Amino acid sequence: AQTVTQSQPEMSVQEAETVTLSCTYDTSESDYYLFWYKQPPSRQMILVIRQEAYKQQNATENRFSVNFQKAAKSFSLKISDSQLGDAAMYFCAYRSANDMRFGAGTRLTVKP
Amino acid sequence: DAGVIQSPRHEVTEMGQEVTLRCKPISGHNSLFWYRQTMMRGLELLIYFNNNVPIDDSGMPEDRFSAKMPNASFSTLKIQPSEPRDSAVYFCASCPGTGSYNEQFFGPGTRLTVL
Repeated sequence: AQTVTQSQPEMSVQEAETVTLSCTYDTSESDYYLFWYKQPPSRQMILVIRQEAYKQQNATENRFSVNFQKAAKSFSLKISDSQLGDAAMYFCAYRSANDMRFGAGTRLTVKP
Repeated sequence: DAGVIQSPRHEVTEMGQEVTLRCKPISGHNSLFWYRQTMMRGLELLIYFNNNVPIDDSGMPEDRFSAKMPNASFSTLKIQPSEPRDSAVYFCASCPGTGSYNEQFFGPGTRLTVL
């Protein structure tokens, strides 16, 4: 079974600074997609960014970007110019035709 | 669109009682997922449907759990009988299409407490 590992239970960043959240995964499949979801205190899960495994180019959405290293099975999320509203739990997720898994999450605190 | 709708938002019940959680996916979405979130186990996929048909229920913890999707606009997750260890937040999510690249849209969740 595929596994998704987020090795940082908690992270902290100063407002306006940059932070990187780590995610690694294990799979034998070649066709899959990777996602980062944000869960603020409201509990609502919100998609932050997604990456197709067959694309070498790293996905970017405004202040959010990923560093996708397919050979290393690594999928980290970089948040630039952190804002107070970025404080939340962040979940890395893996999806293929046969599987859907989430990591344990990283709690991000943003300090003013 | 109102997004994915789940009801109830909170449910408190006693051990042994039957619990039914409800989900209305976004209109036009073809896939529906049920998740359970706990502090200990994180977010776990319980079951998912494509075009109202259950595709993978390997995440359903045991026979006490069952899920149905009688039509494209409604799904239920039933626990009978409920146990204290079932206490969790249960999320429903829907997807436009059945492909793996599709974003999942999550509902607000149902917080279940079994006493």
